[in-house]
Amino acid sequence: NAGVTQTPKFRVLKTGQSMTLLCAQDMNHEYMYWYRQDPGMGLRLIHYSVGEGTTAKGEVPDGYNVSRLKKQNFLLGLESAAPSQTSVYFCASSYPHPDTQYFGPGTRLTVL
Amino acid sequence: DAKTTQPPSMDCAEGRAANLPCNHSTISGNEYVYWYRQIHSQGPQYIIHGLKNNETNEMASLIITEDRKSSTLILPHATLRDTAVYYCIVRVRTGGFKTIFGAGTRLFVKA
Repeated sequence: NAGVTQTPKFRVLKTGQSMTLLCAQDMNHEYMYWYRQDPGMGLRLIHYSVGEGTTAKGEVPDGYNVSRLKKQNFLLGLESAAPSQTSVYFCASSYPHPDTQYFGPGTRLTVL
Repeated sequence: DAKTTQPPSMDCAEGRAANLPCNHSTISGNEYVYWYRQIHSQGPQYIIHGLKNNETNEMASLIITEDRKSSTLILPHATLRDTAVYYCIVRVRTGGFKTIFGAGTRLFVKA
């Protein structure tokens, strides 16, 4: 099993550009999460999903959209990137019980 | 979810036990204590979780006080590869709720 994978690993955007981060998991997990981590800080939850076709807002959802069209994939979109969105983005997935989360390797995004 | 308090950093000698404390004085009866760690530049890794009883697995032991207001993660024989940020999280066991990762404890294991 590959576990949780994220693409791309690195990306540089200009302000105003858009992009989509892809998270894929092969563990048949129901729940999936997107976090961001800024230098020297802990992880902050952006959005999460409790099943295919469902999404919910986390702690810092503004400026991001998500979709969960397939159970194994969770997409994070930035419609108009801003420098404040420069961060490392982590995806995670879990079963409902217990909710021990398995994380991907991260995507390093820089917005100029 | 209950708030947790952890020391910002700790040192430990290689081969010795690392004891990482966590205070969660407002924990509710249905909330579990979870521990994760994050090695530099990698995604967080689940370590262990528990409700009331002490727990042990191949990575660590978790000691929860009788009143459940604090806990300690124990790495019995720390190695250099255990240098990481350790996060203590208190939350209900059912998924789909917001998981708050605080600043954690930065553990330095020294040779």
